[in-house]
Amino acid sequence: ELKVEQNPLFLSMQEGKNYTIYCNYSTTSDRLYWYRQDPGKSLESLFVLLSNGAVKQEGRLMASLDTKARLSTLHITAAVHDLSATYFCAVDLSGGGADGLTFGKGTHLIIQP
Amino acid sequence: EAQVTQNPRYLITVTGKKLTVTCSQNMNHEYMSWYRQDPGLGLRQIYYSMNVEVTDKGDVPEGYKVSRKEKRNFPLILESPSPNQTSLYFCASSFFWGQGSGTREYFGPGTRLTVT
Repeated sequence: ELKVEQNPLFLSMQEGKNYTIYCNYSTTSDRLYWYRQDPGKSLESLFVLLSNGAVKQEGRLMASLDTKARLSTLHITAAVHDLSATYFCAVDLSGGGADGLTFGKGTHLIIQP
Repeated sequence: EAQVTQNPRYLITVTGKKLTVTCSQNMNHEYMSWYRQDPGLGLRQIYYSMNVEVTDKGDVPEGYKVSRKEKRNFPLILESPSPNQTSLYFCASSFFWGQGSGTREYFGPGTRLTVT
């Protein structure tokens, strides 16, 4: 059974600081997704990571994937208030197939002025 | 505009009264799925469908039914809702994943269901 663990589950930080959210998963996979969810809203896709060593960046967010360590990170640089949201990682089992995504429990991020 | 729509967005009902939450996508996606989101538990998959007339159970299928008679629609049916099915429900769709396709799922806006 695939397990996906995110750390931390809750993070309060100040604007301008850097921080990293970690996503560990238990079974071999080479596809990992990051989503953002604002309160009362649906999930918005941020990054799709498809191979070992993949790195994607958009604005102040950068995501990476290490399939050997079964670890993905979402790094926030010089945080701003607008990045306050809940961030989910989700893993797709290797080989494709129809099992869908297994989500982490989410990291609730609050960025204070 | 490419989108996944759900109806209703909010629903309050009573125990045992059958209900259906509709889901429709306009992207010609083969794959559709339903998730429920509960505080502290993240999103858990209820059912999924690889194509018309092909459905299968996800992680938490008890108490739910689905059907896939048309490619674009994937309704979620609660035959006899109970309070533990109070949750936020998301429908999602994507092209069917093959090795290396990496297509992400598009999520609907969510349906907040309360069963009293």
